Amino acid sequence: QSALTQPASVSGSPGQSITISCTGTSSDVGSYNLVSWYQQHPGKAPKLMIYEVSKRPSGVSNRFSGSKSGNTASLTISGLQAEDEADYYCCSYAGSSTPGVVFGGGTKLTVL
Amino acid sequence: EVQLVESGGGLIQPGGSLRLSCAASGFTVSSNYMSWVRQAPGKGLEWVSVIYSGGSTYYADSVKGRFTISRDNSKNTLYLQMNSLRAEDTAVYYCARETAVAYGYWGQGTLVTVSS
Repeated sequence: QSALTQPASVSGSPGQSITISCTGTSSDVGSYNLVSWYQQHPGKAPKLMIYEVSKRPSGVSNRFSGSKSGNTASLTISGLQAEDEADYYCCSYAGSSTPGVVFGGGTKLTVL
Repeated sequence: EVQLVESGGGLIQPGGSLRLSCAASGFTVSSNYMSWVRQAPGKGLEWVSVIYSGGSTYYADSVKGRFTISRDNSKNTLYLQMNSLRAEDTAVYYCARETAVAYGYWGQGTLVTVSS
């Protein structure tokens, strides 16, 4: 299984909205509603932001939302804030083949 | 409060072995799916291994046959035994609790450096 494809970087100004795409295949993103998104600040462990495509864990701001269409999942952050600047990774179940889980290559979000 | 604390990382020569530990508190390791995920310096996340609550284990192709995931129920601790280490295994290793292929709880990570 290859890693999921994410843009290397995205940027936006405070208050704006941005969307990060995550493209997989019909064997992973396209087949399962088991896509999750993680935020990672430098030197820190990843933090779960979205699971099962569009669900938010308790405590995660409703400015973060997720969706999926076909083989592509998306993370949208609205009302950008300075603290949103981080790396973001998508993740998907890939079935019973190995590896059963694939991550995207990561996207660096810069808040201008 | 759920907490995961990894230990056991360090500098090891190619071909060597290392055992990572992940001590859990606030929940029972044996009742959950527990995974190891690694991140090479400056790189993205890579799934390494998982142990299901029923005891089944799975590995990424890159570590299959060299790494072994296990747990000690009495110590509520997850392990990753790493043998025949290679330079490309250099990474921060995180343990994580998984629910529906989502990693809601992570440890702080432990750095493994494979170098001569």
